[in-house]
Amino acid sequence: DVVLTQTPPTLSATIGQSVSISCRSSQSLLHSNGNTYLHWLLQRPGQSPQLLIYSVSRLESGVPNRFSGSGSGTDFTLKISGVEAEDLGVYYCVQGTHAYTFGAGTKLELK
Amino acid sequence: EVQLVESGGGLVQPGRSLKLSCAASGFTFSNYYMAWVRQAPKKGLEWVATISTSGSRTYYPDSVKGRFTISRDNAKSSLYLQMNSLKSEDTATYYCARLEGIKDFDYWGQGVMVTVSS
Repeated sequence: DVVLTQTPPTLSATIGQSVSISCRSSQSLLHSNGNTYLHWLLQRPGQSPQLLIYSVSRLESGVPNRFSGSGSGTDFTLKISGVEAEDLGVYYCVQGTHAYTFGAGTKLELK
Repeated sequence: EVQLVESGGGLVQPGRSLKLSCAASGFTFSNYYMAWVRQAPKKGLEWVATISTSGSRTYYPDSVKGRFTISRDNAKSSLYLQMNSLKSEDTATYYCARLEGIKDFDYWGQGVMVTVSS
């Protein structure tokens, strides 16, 4: 089974600070069809998860462009360029190349 | 507007069964794979089941395989999760979510709580 390791587990940031979250896979997420099914979700407190980034780097409609995703193979990164208060919550990476697996999550909190 | 509304949760004793439903609206339900994802209290997300557009193909992780059954009724735009032989570790909020290939999990329901306890 694919394991996704997210780091750090907790991230403290000030408003306006840029931060990055890493998601490392135990297997390559490059599918035989050429796509890489690695996505990023945000779950705000008390809410359902929402899709931020899909297929590594594609910004979901309505998501601010301060969010960006990058990576390939087994190493992926979510970057927030200028944290805002509404960004607080838990971020999850999820892979869909080999069934589905979620990372353990990274909690973003205010410093 | 896409909407996914789960129902059917509640308190159930270990070893008993429960069936969850998810009513979909705002999109052509029959065109999309669908999934169930759960979240134990204060824990992360766990994939539970996936179903193809026609319902002919289903997929499960080992943790629920043989106990849970995902199904759908495209005429009713509804998704279901039949949960049998429930265990305390199945206690969680269960979400239905839409899958769209390269853009999986683009819509989620509000979730429904299932508590397995005697």
